[in-house]
Amino acid sequence: DAKTTQPTSMDCAEGRAANLPCNHSTISGNEYVYWYRQIHSQGPQYIIHGLKNNETNEMASLIITEDRKSSTLILPHATLRDTAVYYCIVNAWANDYKLSFGAGTTVTVRA
Amino acid sequence: DADVTQTPRNRITKTGKRIMLECSQTKGHDRMYWYRQDPGLGLRLIYYSFDVKDINKGEISDGYSVSRQAQAKFSLSLESAIPNQTALYFCATSDNQGQGNEQFFGPGTRLTVL
Repeated sequence: DAKTTQPTSMDCAEGRAANLPCNHSTISGNEYVYWYRQIHSQGPQYIIHGLKNNETNEMASLIITEDRKSSTLILPHATLRDTAVYYCIVNAWANDYKLSFGAGTTVTVRA
Repeated sequence: DADVTQTPRNRITKTGKRIMLECSQTKGHDRMYWYRQDPGLGLRLIYYSFDVKDINKGEISDGYSVSRQAQAKFSLSLESAIPNQTALYFCATSDNQGQGNEQFFGPGTRLTVL
């Protein structure tokens, strides 16, 4: 059973913020939300992860709802190089080795 | 130099042949992983190792075997390749400190079994 639900695809204008939603309504209290991305058949790249607080790093921001049933990854100023498949993954901290990649969201950034 | 390297990057082989894919890392991580990716799908875990002499089956280990020769090296073998093992294979590593450790992926090996 899929732990996360993401839209299949979305487009974004270059220079604008890209907001990628993820639903994880069955998330447990000890489960983190991870985001990875994969640029055209390259190895996936870690972006960010969080438990319940919002997180920000040099790549993106992660906003987790108070009930933790959904989250949004924000790419603040999308560039053409951000075109990729983005994976939202829910995983218990003790099982951080068992990343379960679904189909993800294909994000296309357009000039 | 890349932190996680995979060899070969591309390989075409025939049904029944033995194939070994190699992974090396310079990150000093204890944990290493092998995944496969089929077209249009996400990655699936084949095997993982928490340190030398530790081997664990993942989601889809049938038809594969692994060897952890050293902390820095983790190889994946297909003893008798079959066409449905045609896929993109990724090696990854992670640390074992703290929680929620990110995984670092290699560039991938594209394997075609004819």
